[in-house]
Amino acid sequence: DVKVTQSSRYLVKRTGEKVFLECVQDMDHENMFWYRQDPGLGLRLIYFSYDVKMKEKGDIPEGYSVSREKKERFSLILESASTNQTSMYLCASIVSGSLSYEQYFGPGTRLTVT
Amino acid sequence: QQQVKQSPQSLIVQKGGIPIINCAYENTAFDYFPWYQQFPGKGPALLIAIRPDVSEKKEGRFTISFNKSAKQFSLHIMDSQPGDSATYFCAASNPSYGGYQKVTFGTGTKLQVIP
Repeated sequence: DVKVTQSSRYLVKRTGEKVFLECVQDMDHENMFWYRQDPGLGLRLIYFSYDVKMKEKGDIPEGYSVSREKKERFSLILESASTNQTSMYLCASIVSGSLSYEQYFGPGTRLTVT
Repeated sequence: QQQVKQSPQSLIVQKGGIPIINCAYENTAFDYFPWYQQFPGKGPALLIAIRPDVSEKKEGRFTISFNKSAKQFSLHIMDSQPGDSATYFCAASNPSYGGYQKVTFGTGTKLQVIP
């Protein structure tokens, strides 16, 4: 069965802290994505990666960075957390060249920055 | 233009009713239109999807209607059940990054089906 896991379901951090959100997929997918989900705004793409050590900015990359050192793992980094980064963060993956374009999502990490 | 506009933001129907969620897009390069369903505490999961070469697709009680000329598509849920209560996202995708599929999501519709 397809599985995308995220390191934490809930996280509370203070303003200015460095925050790491980790995502692991067990499907050998090339493409991985980080989204944030906010009420009324839907899912907005932060960054995606199409291969190890490769990354592309999404629609809202400001204040975030990513790391992909291994194929199965994609990390989202908040260098200096701010209150406006309080949100639900979703990781997803998809196999490159998939005809179905189906993205598999993790359960999400609800991050609160105080 | 990569935007996908979704409406309504929320919807309440009685059991057995047929909720309809609408989406519109601008980018004619989109070639895949999925709908995702998200239950509280879970990530979204693919529900049903359509390509622009067909006007309708049914899977069980879920139907996508697609109007290519109007650049609109909609999700209909027949005989809706309380278990269908969830947030629904439409989306559109095109291989715009050399085969890396980038998906643009709508803003979501929170559906509540009351008994």
